Amino acid sequence: EPEVTQTPSHQVTQMGQEVILRCVPISNHLYFYWYRQILGQKVEFLVSFYNNEISEKSEIFDDQFSVERPDGSNFTLKIRSTKLEDSAMYFCASSGRDRGYQPQHFGDGTRLSIL
Amino acid sequence: AQSVTQLDSQVPVFEEAPVELRCNYSSSVSVYLFWYVQYPNQGLQLLLKYLSGSTLVKGINGFEAEFNKSQTSFHLRKPSVHISDTAEYFCAVSSFSGGYQKVTFGTGTKLQVIP
Repeated sequence: EPEVTQTPSHQVTQMGQEVILRCVPISNHLYFYWYRQILGQKVEFLVSFYNNEISEKSEIFDDQFSVERPDGSNFTLKIRSTKLEDSAMYFCASSGRDRGYQPQHFGDGTRLSIL
Repeated sequence: AQSVTQLDSQVPVFEEAPVELRCNYSSSVSVYLFWYVQYPNQGLQLLLKYLSGSTLVKGINGFEAEFNKSQTSFHLRKPSVHISDTAEYFCAVSSFSGGYQKVTFGTGTKLQVIP
């Protein structure tokens, strides 16, 4: 069964540095999402992306965050000038379209540790 | 707006005993309901989903859930748990409009199966 893949599985970065988290969604999916889970807390929606545009973003998704689909297969989340509170697990998800509801498929996540 | 409440943060249960993990939701529109499982250091795996139709939904690993619209609940049950069911379980709700979704997660319930 096709999967959403995320790289790296664990990223350690100094505070203030930029980080890019990468995701390869399922190939025929059209909607892409990022979620965040701070240790011990619930999974929170960050942003959804469709047709090369952000569809919706949460309050968490401020100016330090950006998303991009640089080619036909990758979907990236960039965090500029990382802060300690950005330490979390970041999940990418994708979903299809047409013929009614298509569930979101989640990747295994990237654990981001800010030092 | 939509929200999910999981009142039990931890549920210890003996192996082979039945378990129920509670979930209540609120939404101003029709929603889809899900249960996800997260094993330690892994991503989110879809256990089961309710989209429409029969209110009793069967999922993987012997789990089932019942949608109760009048009580706005979607409790997860398993008649006999196994050690391997030890994980964190997230109830989630999603609205769906022409392909785009936004999934809202509960705070999670840690199921600890005791040998």
